[in-house]
Amino acid sequence: EIVMTQSPATLSVSPGERATLSCRASQSVTSNLAWYQQKPGQAPRLLIYDVSTRATGIPARFSGSGSGTEFTLTISSLLSEDLAVYYCQQYDSWPPYTFGQGTKLEIK
Amino acid sequence: EVQLVESGGGVVRPGGSLRLSCAASGFTFDDYGMTWVRQAPGKGLEWVSGINWHGGSTVYVDSVEGRFTISRDNVKNSLYLQMNSLRADDTGVYHCARAGGSGYDYAIDYWGQGTLVTVSS
Repeated sequence: EIVMTQSPATLSVSPGERATLSCRASQSVTSNLAWYQQKPGQAPRLLIYDVSTRATGIPARFSGSGSGTEFTLTISSLLSEDLAVYYCQQYDSWPPYTFGQGTKLEIK
Repeated sequence: EVQLVESGGGVVRPGGSLRLSCAASGFTFDDYGMTWVRQAPGKGLEWVSGINWHGGSTVYVDSVEGRFTISRDNVKNSLYLQMNSLRADDTGVYHCARAGGSGYDYAIDYWGQGTLVTVSS
C-alpha cells in the first residue's frame, strides 16, 4: 500500500498570503495525484487532478506541482472562504487508492 | 448538473447488514466508473470500493474484501454497496462518488453528500 503523508497537519495563513501544502508518497505515483478540498459539513470537492490540472470551475489561485513522490498544492492569495481541510490522493496503485491524512488550513 | 444522492444508512448492530444506494443524475451514468469513499467521524477519507462503467471490474480495500459488494444498475442510474458482517470500525459517512473516466482509476470528480452508517450494539 502506498502511504501518503501530508504536511503540515495544520497551517495558519493570513488573507492575501500564500499557502503551501505538501504531500509525499511512499513510492512513486507517477502523475496520478489529486487534491481535494473539504469545507466543514460539506462533501469533498476536486481541486486538482493529474498533479497540476485544475478541475472545472476551480480558480486560478489554486495550483498543483510535483512529480514522483513529492507534490505541492499552492493557494496563491488566500481568501477566508478557503478555510477547509485539504487532502491529497494517489490513484496510481491499487490496493487501495490512498488519501493523505489531510492538512487543516486556518485563516489568521 | 451532476447529482449523486445516497440513501440506506442507519444504525445497525455488529454483524448486521445494510445496503446503500446512490441515485445519479445529470450525466451519462454508464460512461463512468463509480466509487464509494467513507469517512469515520472526525477522521480523514478512505477509498472503499470501485466499479468500472459496465460493472465487469470491481475492487475493494482489504478491510472490506469479502464483506462488501459494490454493484450498479445502468438502467436505473444507480450504484449500490451491500455491506455484510458490519463492524464498529465500519462506522462513518459513506460518499458515493464519480470517477473521472470509465474505470475507477481516476481522480474523483463529483461527490455525494453521504449517508451515515453507525455500527453499534
